[in-house]
Amino acid sequence: AQSVTQPDIHITVSEGASLELRCNYSYGATPYLFWYVQSPGQGLQLLLKYFSGDTLVQGIKGFEAEFKRSQSSFNLRKPSVHWSDAAEYFCAVKGSGGSYIPTFGRGTSLIVHP
Amino acid sequence: GAGVSQSPRYKVAKRGQDVALRCDPISGHVSLFWYQQALGQGPEFLTYFQNEAQLDKSGLPSDRFFAERPEGSVSTLKIQRTQQEDSAVYLCASSLGGEETQYFGPGTRLLVL
Repeated sequence: AQSVTQPDIHITVSEGASLELRCNYSYGATPYLFWYVQSPGQGLQLLLKYFSGDTLVQGIKGFEAEFKRSQSSFNLRKPSVHWSDAAEYFCAVKGSGGSYIPTFGRGTSLIVHP
Repeated sequence: GAGVSQSPRYKVAKRGQDVALRCDPISGHVSLFWYQQALGQGPEFLTYFQNEAQLDKSGLPSDRFFAERPEGSVSTLKIQRTQQEDSAVYLCASSLGGEETQYFGPGTRLLVL
């Protein structure tokens, strides 16, 4: 069975500082990996996804993530955080063999201090 | 173009009432998914449609939950005899195909008193 762990429930950073949100997954074969962002009262917006190829994936809003198979990780990074990045971030994994149901982590809440 | 829309955005129900939640997917999207998101948790899969066919309903928590998509477009999630534990945000997502990227609606926040 596939699973996702986001070990940090809350992360607090200062505006302009760098950010890394952790995600570890469990899946027997090559996974499809996703990061979504959810602002209060909103649905989930896709930031980026990894299916295959280059393990460093660029997304929207200046975010990037790196797939590390040896560590079963897909951490999200941003070099300089903006106040508008404050939101809930979800990592998700989906099987690559015809699976259509993603499994989401419980989310990490990002707080940005001015 | 228009994204996924859901209505109502907020719903308060008394315990025991029936509720119906609507999802309008992106035009042309074959696949439609419903998720339940409890407070402080990630979304959990409820059910999946490909056109009008409900291919997977393994995530529905009880037989009080029922979903339909009769014409392969708009979908309705119905919850009968609501219970307090049904309080959650119900998210709808659509995609071009089952394995394609899913696009989420804003959700319906259901509060059962």
